[in-house]
Amino acid sequence: EADIYQTPRYLVIGTGKKITLECSQTMGHDKMYWYQQDPGMELHLIHYSYGVNSTEKGDLSSESTVSRIRTEHFPLTLESARPSHTSQYLCASSEFRQGGQNEQFFGPGTRLTVL
Amino acid sequence: KQEVTQIPAALSVPEGENLVLNCSFTDSAIYNLQWFRQDPGKGLTSLLLIQSSQREQTSGRLNASLDKSSGRSTLYIAASQPGDSATYLCAVLARTYKYIFGTGTRLKVLA
Repeated sequence: EADIYQTPRYLVIGTGKKITLECSQTMGHDKMYWYQQDPGMELHLIHYSYGVNSTEKGDLSSESTVSRIRTEHFPLTLESARPSHTSQYLCASSEFRQGGQNEQFFGPGTRLTVL
Repeated sequence: KQEVTQIPAALSVPEGENLVLNCSFTDSAIYNLQWFRQDPGKGLTSLLLIQSSQREQTSGRLNASLDKSSGRSTLYIAASQPGDSATYLCAVLARTYKYIFGTGTRLKVLA
């Protein structure tokens, strides 16, 4: 059973506001990921982390930032939200294992609307 | 650069049919391939994981196969039901430990 949580589930906010999307997992996974997905479109990796104090930018350029101070927590922050940030944000985690057993689990997502 | 393609992009079938969804990838140097289901506006639910050394995995009415040498995987759904309607995504875990996703197949099973 995957235990990965995202809050809030839905957020409507005005332009210029600072927001933080929360993601937590209770599985002790070392790897965590943030994806952005527009409706009906493919997932784009925007940030990932291989462990505490490790963060990397993904394949899609994003104005957001992330931090990984604790294993279980991987928050994403937008300093100044814009309408172009309107999208669904999905958090995921996986465990490092040799041999290809790295199953990725997803949270329920945060749907962000910036007015 | 690893690219993942899924065919067809959309599929509509009557209830009870057996169906096959296809996933192809360009670089065979992968750790595993994972099939997911996504309902509208929701996160992804893991269905099956096939390690690179395996040929297939089964879970209930689902069977996934992997042919690494040809860069292909198929997801077989037996006796489809309206509740199977969703978008199905495949993803490969590259040697960089990043997951590369396909664009998905939108499945609609008609009652």
